[in-house]
Parts: sequence; structure tokens; C-alpha cells
Amino acid sequence: DGGITQSPKYLFRKEGQNVTLSCEQNLNHDAMYWYRQDPGQGLRLIYYSQIVNDFQKGDIAEGYSVSREKKESFPLTVTSAQKNPTAFYLCASSIKATRAYSNQPQHFGDGTRLSIL
Amino acid sequence: AQKVTQAQTEISVVEKEDVTLDCVYETRDTTYYLFWYKQPPSGELVFLIRRNSFDEQNEISGRYSWNFQKSTSSFNFTITASQVVDSAVYFCALSEPSGGGADGLTFGKGTHLIIQP
Repeated sequence: DGGITQSPKYLFRKEGQNVTLSCEQNLNHDAMYWYRQDPGQGLRLIYYSQIVNDFQKGDIAEGYSVSREKKESFPLTVTSAQKNPTAFYLCASSIKATRAYSNQPQHFGDGTRLSIL
Repeated sequence: AQKVTQAQTEISVVEKEDVTLDCVYETRDTTYYLFWYKQPPSGELVFLIRRNSFDEQNEISGRYSWNFQKSTSSFNFTITASQVVDSAVYFCALSEPSGGGADGLTFGKGTHLIIQP
């Protein structure tokens, strides 16, 4: 079935450690997104990518990095610079991220829950 | 700037009751898109409905219905004869083409709906 796969489901980070969250999609979508969800805060955009080898910062990009070497993959690295990384991270994709496609819904993965040891 | 307000943080009702989730939005654009997503305990956001700003016709899908009123900038969601499986967090979201579409959606903070048996 087509969809978005995030792994791992649970992840623990030690102080000073970088960790990488995986996101893979087989929907043939051009655009991919990373969101952070905190209790009672809704979803906040970390990074998005409109096409391979391109990505843009969202509202809360500090302490995070991404890459988009393949259309299907958009991994997120939570660096040691992110002082409060404990949250639920959601990856999403959509057909395109251009103005003409702003009416298209995003499709989400099951999320990764990151905690600090 | 765009903003989505879901004033109800948590709603608890007994099964078979009707329940309405409120969503109020702010935008300067004349063309925009509104979405509702459901987030069950598993974590994945599930797309429920999209509404275009130029289409004010209300929509019904089974036990779900949506009331879009541009005059009050509201896009409310009603569940009729609620069931325990409806228990989830529900998000309202806004997308504006003027934003290039690339910034993704602006989400409300969500309403946690609890259906008691």
C-alpha cells in the first residue's frame, strides 16, 4: 500500500548526541515536511522540501537539519543544539508544495516519539 | 498572517450524543483552503475533509458534517450519534496560496474529543 513510513516509533537521545529520524514515502510526492507536536501546541513546521536536493526552514528549524537526496526519503536530524527535543515528530508529504497545489491535503506518517535519557 | 483557533481544548461526551468542534480562522486572502484532520491514539493524522473558500456549501458524510460560514470565519465539525471510535484529537488547518503553498498548513492546537461508553 502507498503511504509514509517513519522509524523508529520511539527514540531516546542522550545529552550531546545527534539522532536521526527516518521518513520514507512511496506516494511519488514531490513535497515532504517535518512537524513537531508538543502537548496542547498543535503542529509546528520544522523543515520542508519541495523537490529533491532542495529544502527550506520552517518556523522552528533551529537545532534541526535535513537532507533530501532522494525523492522518497527526507530524514530529520535532531542535533545537540536542540535543547528541548522531547516531542512527537510527524513527517508528511503532498503532491507538490507550490501555490497551485495549496489545496492538496498532506499525508502523514505514524510519527516518532523522541525522549531524552 | 494566518491563524487558526480551536478554543475547545478538550470535550467529553457520552456515546450517542452529538458533538460540535469549533474552528475559527483569520486570513487576509480571498482564496484559501480549510482542512480537518483526525489524530487517533496511534498518532497518524488522517485527512477528513477540505473546503475551498469560494464553496460555502455544507457537507455531510455519514455521521460527520461540516458547517462553513465565511461571514463568521468559521469551519465547524459536527459528529452525530458519537461513538467510542471517534475519540481522538481533531485538528483544523488553513492553507493560503499566497503563501506559495510551500509553508504547508497552519494548524490549530487541536481539540481532544473523548467519547465515553
